[in-house]
Amino acid sequence: DAKTTQPNSMESNEEEPVHLPCNHSTISGTDYIHWYRQLPSQGPEYVIHGLTSNVNNRMASLAIAEDRKSSTLILHRATLRDAAVYYCILVGNQFYFGTGTSLTVIP
Amino acid sequence: DTGVSQNPRHKITKRGQNVTFRCDPISEHNRLYWYRQTLGQGPEFLTYFQNEAQLEKSRLLSDRFSAERPKGSFSTLEIQRTEQGDSAMYLCASSLGDGPTEQFFGPGTRLTVL
Repeated sequence: DAKTTQPNSMESNEEEPVHLPCNHSTISGTDYIHWYRQLPSQGPEYVIHGLTSNVNNRMASLAIAEDRKSSTLILHRATLRDAAVYYCILVGNQFYFGTGTSLTVIP
Repeated sequence: DTGVSQNPRHKITKRGQNVTFRCDPISEHNRLYWYRQTLGQGPEFLTYFQNEAQLEKSRLLSDRFSAERPKGSFSTLEIQRTEQGDSAMYLCASSLGDGPTEQFFGPGTRLTVL
């Protein structure tokens, strides 16, 4: 199974940018890179996904390394509502979430 | 559109009993996924359907687990002869399309096996 590696936890000050890294050195050519986040007692929520090129949407940006072995989720201005566990997953035939990064936003 | 719904939200059972969970996806969504999540861990993929066809099954899905989606709409996940290690949150998600598109998750069913 394709796997991802993320830091267990990160902190950010409110209204500052946050860069959440993910390593996925075993990624295959057809795997998409997805990011989800999960608040306590809720199901995961989709954030963004990409294949090779960088992607932007209203929630975040996704920067994908040229060799695709790593990616970074960028929250441009962290708010208290962004405090959650962020999962980077590789999507092919199966979907491996890993343990994610717990983001704390400091007011 | 009410989103993905799951029933029951909570289930307490005794070891050895059978349990069945139901998931109603967003209407028109052709893909439906089941995951299991234990405390402090990320969701673990169990299986997914495209319409009524079960396309992938994780090695985690032992012989005691079975999932169906008979008419390509709602799905059921049955666990036979439950064990204490089956205690977890069971999450269902749905998506539209044939590719790896956005999955919409339900609130989950929390199973406690005594």
